[in-house]
Amino acid sequence: DAGVIQSPRHEVTEMGQEVTLRCKPISGHDYLFWYRQTMMRGLELLIYFNNNVPIDDSGMPEDRFSAKMPNASFSTLKIQPSEPRDSAVYFCASSLGRVGSGNTIYFGEGSWLTVV
Amino acid sequence: QQQVKQSPQSLIVQKGGISIINCAYENTAFDYFPWYQQFPGKGPALLIAIRPDVSEKKEGRFTISFNKSAKQFSLHIMDSQPGDSATYFCAASRGVNDYKLSFGAGTTVTVRA
Repeated sequence: DAGVIQSPRHEVTEMGQEVTLRCKPISGHDYLFWYRQTMMRGLELLIYFNNNVPIDDSGMPEDRFSAKMPNASFSTLKIQPSEPRDSAVYFCASSLGRVGSGNTIYFGEGSWLTVV
Repeated sequence: QQQVKQSPQSLIVQKGGISIINCAYENTAFDYFPWYQQFPGKGPALLIAIRPDVSEKKEGRFTISFNKSAKQFSLHIMDSQPGDSATYFCAASRGVNDYKLSFGAGTTVTVRA
């Protein structure tokens, strides 16, 4: 299996621009997660989906952030408008089942976002 | 507010030495404790995991020790190698129906040759 695939790997954008990050989860995985990693805050869960339905978006920092999962093989995280404080590594991850049952969360390689 | 507190933030160990990373939690509902390993430029990957019904789990040079009464658990890396240089995250989830993990802040381990 190719694993979780994210694009772009690196993005540099100007403040105020729209940023769209894309993710293809592992085939057959029912859960999809978006995490953000920064030096200051570590790994933060932004939102997760179960069977394409958003379950918990309480980690989304503000209305500038939105996430969609139109089908089982594709998800997007959008930031509009972007701000310098959004600079971080954004990880998409997926799992076959509930992590509490011992299912592994598999992470992509991340999208490195720099907002200047 | 992190529900799992991890220490130290970083450590340096000589090749062949033992690396020890500690984590503590307050929520007694946590009952699954995985450790993730992250190399620079990569996403975290599951290394080893434990449930509180056992006090220790070993996989190769990696051992998790679990103290349920103290609500603490630790990762020991025996015979540390330069290839072990990475950031390690402890994590926890609450019950078999939990969807998500609460991660610690991470520990950057550097193994000097």
